[in-house]
Amino acid sequence: EAGVVQSPRYKIIEKKQPVAFWCNPISGHNTLYWYLQNLGQGPELLIRYENEEAVDDSQLPKDRFSAERLKGVDSTLKIQPAELGDSAVYLCASSPRTTNEQFFGPGTRLTVL
Amino acid sequence: QKEVEQNSGPLSVPEGAIASLNCTYSDRGSQSFFWYRQYSGKSPELIMSIYSNGDKEDGRFTAQLNKASQYVSLLIRDSQPSDSATYLCAVKGGTDKLIFGTGTRLQVFP
Repeated sequence: EAGVVQSPRYKIIEKKQPVAFWCNPISGHNTLYWYLQNLGQGPELLIRYENEEAVDDSQLPKDRFSAERLKGVDSTLKIQPAELGDSAVYLCASSPRTTNEQFFGPGTRLTVL
Repeated sequence: QKEVEQNSGPLSVPEGAIASLNCTYSDRGSQSFFWYRQYSGKSPELIMSIYSNGDKEDGRFTAQLNKASQYVSLLIRDSQPSDSATYLCAVKGGTDKLIFGTGTRLQVFP
């Protein structure tokens, strides 16, 4: 079974530029999560989707971050404009309807210069 | 008080020993508990989940849960150098959100 796929794996941009991350969850997993992980910290939830509906986006900085999950499968997370403090690893995870277990993709390491 | 607390370590154990990793949580209504392993530069990998009080064993790993004490632990028997990683405790509480600790770095030396 293929795991969660994310792209790109690495991204370096200058501040104020836009950036987008893409995630394809494990086939059949209806719940998709975007997390942010800073060095030395655990992942922190940004947004959770149940199918195509964002059911928890309370931690998403909506002034600059946006996300979508059209058709309830792939998802895109966007930052516009990026700030220096956005440098982190952005992780996508998915879980099936039947369990609470979340499985992570490889992440995208973002560096904002 | 942090919602999920772990000692950052490093916890150093010799090869073949038992490594004991501990985690406490603040939300008494939490029902689901997970341990993730994260190698440097990699993403978290789920290694254990536990939902009821007591022990759950899977190979060399044993998860222990005590809801009364709000305490969950992970034991790694016969520790190997390949077990050297950061271990993240994650708790799903009443908000239905998975809260992670900051992780404990484990070092297994030959």
